[in-house]
Amino acid sequence: DGGITQSPKYLFRKEGQNVTLSCEQNLNHDAMYWYRQDPGQGLRLIYYSQIVNDFQKGDIAEGYSVSREKKESFPLTVTSAQKNPTAFYLCASSIDLLGQPQHFGDGTRLSIL
Amino acid sequence: QKEVEQNSGPLSVPEGAIASLNCTYSDRGSQSFFWYRQYSGKSPELIMFIYSNGDKEDGRFTAQLNKASQYVSLLIRDSQPSDSATYLCAVRSGNTPLVFGKGTRLSVIA
Repeated sequence: DGGITQSPKYLFRKEGQNVTLSCEQNLNHDAMYWYRQDPGQGLRLIYYSQIVNDFQKGDIAEGYSVSREKKESFPLTVTSAQKNPTAFYLCASSIDLLGQPQHFGDGTRLSIL
Repeated sequence: QKEVEQNSGPLSVPEGAIASLNCTYSDRGSQSFFWYRQYSGKSPELIMFIYSNGDKEDGRFTAQLNKASQYVSLLIRDSQPSDSATYLCAVRSGNTPLVFGKGTRLSVIA
């Protein structure tokens, strides 16, 4: 079955620690995205990538980093510079950026210890 | 800054009624419009998309688009308690990612 796999489902971060959230897709999609969702809020775009080895900042990229070394994978690192990382993180993909729906993974819930 | 506005709700409707969810957007050049349903604690799932002015029906769901008024809506007929969720409107303009509204929380009362 094709889909998007995010791991882990729950993650805890200590002060000063970097953590990496995994996102893998087997849909053969070119475009991948990371969103952050806070309680009662919509989705805010962190980073997106249209193609391997290329990615662009979204609206709230500060304190986050990404890589796109393989088409299937788009990991997100939450760095210690992100002072308020507690949120629900969603990875999505689409065939391309042009009018195609996005499909979402099940999300990772990140909390501060 | 492209904006997508939705009433946060909650919108409460009795079981069997029609639920009407509304969304306005700021970028007149927007081309693609999507409705996602998100249950509490879960990820969004696509339920409808519409590209052209007018209505598009899929089962109990109808999406309506009026580009002149920069308005897109979702109608849910014969609402069921299982329809209780947050509905996210998303809009795409050109070669850029979707812009999401904050969502409308729908509660269907049995």
